[in-house]
Amino acid sequence: ELKVEQNPLFLSMQEGKNYTIYCNYSTTSDRLYWYRQDPGKSLESLFVLLSNGAVKQEGRLMASLDTKARLSTLHITAAVHDLSATYFCAVIPASGYALNFGKGTSLLVTP
Amino acid sequence: EAGVVQSPRYKIIEKKQPVAFWCNPISGHNTLYWYLQNLGQGPELLIRYENEEAVDDSQLPKDRFSAERLKGVDSTLKIQPAELGDSAVYLCASSNRGQEQFFGPGTRLTVL
Repeated sequence: ELKVEQNPLFLSMQEGKNYTIYCNYSTTSDRLYWYRQDPGKSLESLFVLLSNGAVKQEGRLMASLDTKARLSTLHITAAVHDLSATYFCAVIPASGYALNFGKGTSLLVTP
Repeated sequence: EAGVVQSPRYKIIEKKQPVAFWCNPISGHNTLYWYLQNLGQGPELLIRYENEEAVDDSQLPKDRFSAERLKGVDSTLKIQPAELGDSAVYLCASSNRGQEQFFGPGTRLTVL
């Protein structure tokens, strides 16, 4: 059974600070996704990481993938309130098609 | 380009009643997924269709849940009878031949 673990599950941070969310997974995969979900809303795709060493950046968010360590990180730079949301990582195993999600990281950015 | 469309957005029913959810995927996407998202959790796959064929329904509770995608386009997910524990958000997603999945807004079901 594929396990996807995110940490932390809850994160409160001040505006302007930096922080990293971690996503570990338990099986071979080279397809990892990060999604954002606002309360009561659906999932918005942030990043698609398809190879070892992939790094993608959009605004204050940067995601990376290390397939050998089975680890992805989502780094937040100089957080702003608009980034408050729940962030999910999801993995598709090498032999499958379905997304396997972590439990999500609930991020609150405060003034 | 229109995204994944789902209806209804919200549904409140009493336990033991039937309920149905509808999904229209992005035009041209042959793969359609139904996910279940419980409060405070990530989505979990219920069923995956490739065109009109259900190719992965191992997580679908078949005693009360059913789904169909008759013409390989839109899909319906049904629960009969609903139980209290079925209260959740039901998400539909679509993709083009296993590529990136795009999610609809979801149907929030409350069973009383």
